[in-house]
Amino acid sequence: DVKVTQSSRYLVKRTGEKVFLECVQDMDHENMFWYRQDPGLGLRLIYFSYDVKMKEKGDIPEGYSVSREKKERFSLILESASTNQTSMYLCASSFWGDNEKLFFGSGTQLSVL
Amino acid sequence: EDKVVQSPLSLVVHEGDTVTLNCSYEVTNFRSLLWYKQEKKAPTFLFMLTSSGIEKKSGRLSSILDKKELFSILNITATQTGDSAIYLCAVLTGTASKLTFGTGTRLQVTL
Repeated sequence: DVKVTQSSRYLVKRTGEKVFLECVQDMDHENMFWYRQDPGLGLRLIYFSYDVKMKEKGDIPEGYSVSREKKERFSLILESASTNQTSMYLCASSFWGDNEKLFFGSGTQLSVL
Repeated sequence: EDKVVQSPLSLVVHEGDTVTLNCSYEVTNFRSLLWYKQEKKAPTFLFMLTSSGIEKKSGRLSSILDKKELFSILNITATQTGDSAIYLCAVLTGTASKLTFGTGTRLQVTL
């Protein structure tokens, strides 16, 4: 089975802190994605990547950056966390050419105080 | 802007009932529509629909797509408490492999 692992299930940070959310997949997927999920708004795409060192902005990239130095790892970075970034963050991955079937990690619930 | 709308937003039914969840969309360059189930944290894949009128079925769950009227339905028959979850509809568009999600339908099945 495909496994997408997010490093933390719950995270509490203070406003202004730099936050790293890590995601690792073990199926050699080319594509990796970061979404945030908020009540009433559904899942919204923050950033995605089709290859190592490649990144594309999603629908809501402001306040975020990403890093993909290795194929299996995709990191989401909050340079200076703000309270409106309190959310559930979901990482996903898929094969190129079969990228409809996203496989999701278990999510990280981030609270910024 | 691509848009996916799910209804109802939430639903409470008794075990054994049949439910129908709705998903309508307005998107550019439609490729496929997907349904996911989210119980605790990670959404899990249910169905992918590409062609109109062809029903996909898995046990008590089934889904169909109408590309003319731009909607899909997910049916669950003989519901069980284990069906309680958020059901997400997403549409894949264009060549950039972008998935646009609806807000989800929260289903609660009671005894």
